[in-house]
This record gives sequence, C-alpha cells and structure tokens, in this order.
Amino acid sequence: GEDVEQSLFLSVREGDSSVINCTYTDSSSTYLYWYKQEPGAGLQLLTYIFSNMDMKQDQRLTVLLNKKDKHLSLRIADTQTGDSAIYFCAASSGGYQKVTFGTGTKLQVIP
Amino acid sequence: ETGVTQTPRHLVMGMTNKKSLKCEQHLGHNAMYWYKQSAKKPLELMFVYNFKEQTENNSVPSRFSPECPNSSHLFLHLHTLQPEDSALYLCASSQDNKARVAKNIQYFGAGTRLSVL
Repeated sequence: GEDVEQSLFLSVREGDSSVINCTYTDSSSTYLYWYKQEPGAGLQLLTYIFSNMDMKQDQRLTVLLNKKDKHLSLRIADTQTGDSAIYFCAASSGGYQKVTFGTGTKLQVIP
Repeated sequence: ETGVTQTPRHLVMGMTNKKSLKCEQHLGHNAMYWYKQSAKKPLELMFVYNFKEQTENNSVPSRFSPECPNSSHLFLHLHTLQPEDSALYLCASSQDNKARVAKNIQYFGAGTRLSVL
C-alpha cells in the first residue's frame, strides 16, 4: 500500500516562510492534500493538488508537486503564530481514492 | 453547528468496560470513516462505510466493533481494550467514496480522546 512520510517537527520565526515536506510512494496517486490540525480539533483541509499540476497557490500557501520524485511541499509565507498546528500530508490512490495520511508535522512558530 | 460531531470528547475506561463512541455528520455525505491518531505515527484508517456498508476493515482487532445504522451516524463499540489502544479516535465523512476518480475530501470531527487504564 501507499506510504506517506513527513518530518515530525519544524520550528520557524514569525514572519519567515515555512516549508513542510512530504514524500509518498504510489506514483499513481491522483490527489495530494494538506490538512491542518489545531489543538483539540480534528483535521481541516487546507488545500489539495491534482497530480497533473506541479504548483498551486492560494493566498499565503503554495503547494509544489514533483511527481518524478514523489515529493510534495507546502510553503506558508509570512508565517504567523496562528499557523502553529500539526500539518498532515495525504495522498489518494486506488480505485476508490483511498486516502493515506502521514504522521503530521508539528509547526512551531516562535514570536 | 459543526459538520461532524463526535461524542464524548474524552473517555476514560478500564480494560473490562464496554463503551461506545458516537459520530454524527450533518453534511449529507455517504461515506464515513474511523481513524486512530497516535503520537508520532501516521493517521491509521480503521474502518470505512459507504452508503451504510462496510467497505474497509484495516485489520482492526475485534475488540473494536463499528456500526453504521444510516449514512449520518457512525458508532465505534469498545470492549476489553488494552492500554495501547489509548489514542485520539477521529471520525470523518466524505461525499461519496465510490467515484473512481474524484477528490476524496474528508471532513473530520474533533475526536474522542480515549484513555484505557
């Protein structure tokens, strides 16, 4: 089955850019997602990208997809303390779009 | 009202107890999911229901028993759990998990934090 890997922790200073990286194993993955989990809450979809795209931008968020390397990244520009959360990478593949999630990367924003 | 509601938010139980987790979605979705979230591990898919039928059981021990009486409600019945079952249990729903190529955007509840003593 698909494996999705991401680092567990990232610390950045307020105002800097954050880049959270993710790798996946199934080259037939069709959609790739970034979810955000704030303390005491469930996961909330931030953005997603279809596999025929290599970049998607949405306000402060930029998603880059390198299909050859099976690498996905999420860049958050001008990171704020409110961005502190756990960010999950996920990939869907298979006949019924089974979604596989990574471990989550905890983003700590230092004021 | 939030789209996916889970109750209770916190649960402490002994290994011999029987309890149930409840999930309700108000989004008109037809697919519902149970996930287990443990620290430093990938989110683990446990069960999937599509149109009230179980379509996936990810080798989950029989001490976890799901029930989906209709497309809006999902339960997870717990009995004789082990301390290693302590985790955050998340419920999610999506519009339809039967479409072959479609973005499967899932909407999550806040979870039930389970502690097994």
